Amino acid sequence: QQQVKQSPQSLIVQKGGISIINCAYENTAFDYFPWYQQFPGKGPALLIAIRPDVSEKKEGRFTISFNKSAKQFSLHIMDSQPGDSATYFCAARDDKIIFGKGTRLHILP
Amino acid sequence: KAGVTQTPRYLIKTRGQQVTLSCSPISGHRSVSWYQQTPGQGLQFLFEYFSETQRNKGNFPGRFSGRQFSNSRSEMNVSTLELGDSALYLCASSLAAGANYGYTFGSGTRLTVV
Repeated sequence: QQQVKQSPQSLIVQKGGISIINCAYENTAFDYFPWYQQFPGKGPALLIAIRPDVSEKKEGRFTISFNKSAKQFSLHIMDSQPGDSATYFCAARDDKIIFGKGTRLHILP
Repeated sequence: KAGVTQTPRYLIKTRGQQVTLSCSPISGHRSVSWYQQTPGQGLQFLFEYFSETQRNKGNFPGRFSGRQFSNSRSEMNVSTLELGDSALYLCASSLAAGANYGYTFGSGTRLTVV
């Protein structure tokens, strides 16, 4: 049973556009929702994270929107750049981090 | 500040053999978690060690084991290797147990079983 469902699997966005990745969860005990970015040959790196008492968090061009009642959260990348091309994982914590299956993002130059 | 160091980076083993992977966490981090990453299953939690004790374990067979030393360095061992064990094995360190502030990952060990 997949505890964190992520979509889409892959995404192609034009340079300067907005990239949106969505995640849903079932376990209401989750108390921390990080997003990780992974480049080929590297381990995942923490990008931005949110706790469920906050509806939105913004860091530079990256924004997490969190809807506790719908048990959904999403990552928005504004003004997407070719250097943002990577695999993105949403995740949730319940004493360990549980990851979604990942979204492969490609930004067209 | 040095990051999480995993050795070796690449490994090729034969079915039936065993393998040991090593992880040195960030200085001061006492928790080490291990994940298996494959294209089909994504990132799957193996186990977490804190203060030399396994405090959490994922749904993997007993062939997968680990340990943590007094300096927080950790090793994981896979015995009787199977083709399906081919994966990227990632080590993640955190200050305290339970990943309350997330992890810092190493670059992983790419294990290929032939």
